Amino acid sequence: KAGVTQTPRYLIKTRGQQVTLSCSPISGHRSVSWYQQTPGQGLQFLFEYFSETQRNKGNFPGRFSGRQFSNSRSEMNVSTLELGDSALYLCASSLVLGVVGNEQFFGPGTRLTVL
Amino acid sequence: AQTVTQSQPEMSVQEAETVTLSCTYDTSESDYYLFWYKQPPSRQMILVIRQEAYKQQNATENRFSVNFQKAAKSFSLKISDSQLGDAAMYFCAFHPTGANSKLTFGKGITLSVRP
Repeated sequence: KAGVTQTPRYLIKTRGQQVTLSCSPISGHRSVSWYQQTPGQGLQFLFEYFSETQRNKGNFPGRFSGRQFSNSRSEMNVSTLELGDSALYLCASSLVLGVVGNEQFFGPGTRLTVL
Repeated sequence: AQTVTQSQPEMSVQEAETVTLSCTYDTSESDYYLFWYKQPPSRQMILVIRQEAYKQQNATENRFSVNFQKAAKSFSLKISDSQLGDAAMYFCAFHPTGANSKLTFGKGITLSVRP
């Protein structure tokens, strides 16, 4: 069974641009969560989607948004990029909503660099 | 709000020896899950071990075991017979069982294994 895939693996953007990251969960998984990982802040929860609906959201500005499609694939978008958005963005999928009792499987991440 | 603290940023262990990674957390919740995740240099995060707060028995997975002290809000990970492949960043994480709860990670600890 294929694992969680994320595309692209690396991105370089400039301030003010926008970016879209993609995540394909493990087949059969319906929940997708997104995290931002930086050396200073560590891993921070962005949002979680289940059945095409955002079910939970972290403390990030509205420039960060996401969506989930009917095949459970998810995208996240960051508009008006800032230098501080440079990070590793991780996607994780699980069978059902939430992590309790259901293991989250992580993708390899997308490394975003904002110049 | 929940916080997870991993006070040691780096640790080193000799191959075949035992090492303990510390984690403390702060919460007013009574029911929750605790996790240790491993992130090797390739960046694919994997779940090492999970502990349910209502279970008094400490979780064990092969060479990995935890020391869960609920009253002290402490959740340490012991790695026995350390192997070179154990070198990675380890994250402690907390998740309440309530609806719309999110996974909160500690800052992580980098473990190196000396041959």
